[in-house]
Amino acid sequence: AQTVTQSQPEMSVQEAETVTLSCTYDTSESDYYLFWYKQPPSRQMILVIRQEAYKQQNATENRFSVNFQKAAKSFSLKISDSQLGDAAMYFCAYRIDSNYQLIWGAGTKLIIKP
Amino acid sequence: DGGITQSPKYLFRKEGQNVTLSCEQNLNHDAMYWYRQDPGQGLRLIYYSQIVNDFQKGDIAEGYSVSREKKESFPLTVTSAQKNPTAFYLCASSTIPASSYNEQFFGPGTRLTVL
Repeated sequence: AQTVTQSQPEMSVQEAETVTLSCTYDTSESDYYLFWYKQPPSRQMILVIRQEAYKQQNATENRFSVNFQKAAKSFSLKISDSQLGDAAMYFCAYRIDSNYQLIWGAGTKLIIKP
Repeated sequence: DGGITQSPKYLFRKEGQNVTLSCEQNLNHDAMYWYRQDPGQGLRLIYYSQIVNDFQKGDIAEGYSVSREKKESFPLTVTSAQKNPTAFYLCASSTIPASSYNEQFFGPGTRLTVL
């Protein structure tokens, strides 16, 4: 079965510091896509960053970057220079190439300390 | 502005009643999805549709029904057969993956509470 595991229910970080959120997944597929979504208190789900499994280079989007380890089936999100607006639930999700369905982790609540 | 709208934002239902949640998108996306979100859990897929007049069950379709009469609209009906319908419901849409990412765009959600 395809599963996504986020082992950290909650993380906290001091404003301006760096935090890493972990995500592991289980699949027998070789072609797939990985996503990090952010859900702030407004509950609007927003895409943060995405990665194609065949690309070895880690994706980056401004202060957000991933550490993709295909062999270990790990897809962690690093947030640099944390800002108060980064406080949210962060969800890791996975999709295989031939399917529309996203498989979601349970989420990590990120708290930013001023 | 292009986007997805869901209404109402809050919905209260008495036991035994059917209720319908609205989802409209103007992104010209072919695919639309309904998810349920419960505390401490990831999103779970209820139904999805890739084309008008066609839809498929997701992981938790029991007690729910959908229709897709127009490309822009994908309403979800929560029937009285759904035993525990209190949850947050999210609608999403995406292109059919001619491109690889097939990013899903989400609406603001509807909070359903059974009284």
